[in-house]
Amino acid sequence: EPEVTQTPSHQVTQMGQEVILRCVPISNHLYFYWYRQILGQKVEFLVSFYNNEISEKSEIFDDQFSVERPDGSNFTLKIRSTKLEDSAMYFCASKVNTEAFFGQGTRLTVV
Amino acid sequence: DQQVKQNSPSLSVQEGRISILNCDYTNSMFDYFLWYKKYPAEGPTFLISISSIKDKNEDGRFTVFLNKSAKHLSLHIVPSQPGDSAVYFCAASPLNQAGTALIFGKGTTLSVSS
Repeated sequence: EPEVTQTPSHQVTQMGQEVILRCVPISNHLYFYWYRQILGQKVEFLVSFYNNEISEKSEIFDDQFSVERPDGSNFTLKIRSTKLEDSAMYFCASKVNTEAFFGQGTRLTVV
Repeated sequence: DQQVKQNSPSLSVQEGRISILNCDYTNSMFDYFLWYKKYPAEGPTFLISISSIKDKNEDGRFTVFLNKSAKHLSLHIVPSQPGDSAVYFCAASPLNQAGTALIFGKGTTLSVSS
């Protein structure tokens, strides 16, 4: 069964460093998303991506964040200068129509 | 501003009984609703959905009911099984905007005891 895959599963980084979280969406899907879940809190929308551009973003998705689909298969989330409060589970999702399918997540720990 | 609200953070049910998880929404533009199940350290898994043209959708042990006038939906699981223990998220979006992000509630942790 097709699935969304995310790498790495766990990333530890020092405050101020750049991180890139990677996702391979399901191949025929058209819409791509990043969500995050801070420990104990709700799943929060970050950004949606369609037709090689951002279609929607939340207040969380500030200038420190960027997304890219560099090669038509990978979908990446970059955080330029990580802060302690960026520590969270980051979920990639993709959909073709209505139901979004999520990856297993990347646990980002900023120390 | 919470557009999707799950007011019960937790629910405990005995195996074999019915689990009822509730969700309320405030945005009248929402017309497609989904339930996701999430185990610790895993991504949310799609469970069942309903569009606003229906008031009920059933899939095996899972049934979702939608009361559009009350802006309320519920997920019924019957009979409940220990493997159903997880966090359940309600999510919503406008159907006619396919790329629009799903907005999630805070989740309800269901514990099913044997």
